[in-house]
Amino acid sequence: GAGVSQSPRYKVAKRGQDVALRCDPISGHVSLFWYQQALGQGPEFLTYFQNEAQLDKSGLPSDRFFAERPEGSVSTLKIQRTQQEDSAVYLCASSSISGNHYEQYFGPGTRLTVT
Amino acid sequence: SQKIEQNSEALNIQEGKTATLTCNYTNYSPAYLQWYRQDPGRGPVFLLLIRENEKEKRKERLKVTFDTTLKQSLFHITASQPADSATYLCALEFNAGKSTFGDGTTLTVKP
Repeated sequence: GAGVSQSPRYKVAKRGQDVALRCDPISGHVSLFWYQQALGQGPEFLTYFQNEAQLDKSGLPSDRFFAERPEGSVSTLKIQRTQQEDSAVYLCASSSISGNHYEQYFGPGTRLTVT
Repeated sequence: SQKIEQNSEALNIQEGKTATLTCNYTNYSPAYLQWYRQDPGRGPVFLLLIRENEKEKRKERLKVTFDTTLKQSLFHITASQPADSATYLCALEFNAGKSTFGDGTTLTVKP
């Protein structure tokens, strides 16, 4: 079956522009996660949805970052007034629940470069 | 806050040998500890999970151990192959699915 897809795969934005990154999770997966991965580092948690509810947004670095999942399926991560430090790969993962464990399936990521 | 350290930035071994990667963490022991593989330009791929009450887990050529006293997990790849070359990430999962990742160890298996 289809895995997690993300679009665009690459995005170049000029500093100050707004960007929107899309994630299509695996069909039927209730949970959806966003991570930010800087070069040479591991993914860092940004936010988490269960269905359409955003249960944890403690990792969002500033109020310029906003995520939504209005119908409990596709999710969008929006970054307003992009800054150079926002340059990173943004990973989306969806998850089914097995017992109390969330097995996460990651998309290929969107590489954002802010110039 | 939780801190995770994975051993050495890069590990180079000869084909056929066993690769051993280390994951150390501070503070609280997680409910689950996971290992992922990540290839360049791709998202992480789940490999193995071990629960806090488990000592060891195996899957084919992979073995994970979990010592909550030492706050350490070891990840072994036996009979390593060049195709095993990748970055391996350790992740701690607490409740509600939120995972904290280490920075990874890049493994190169030379033929």
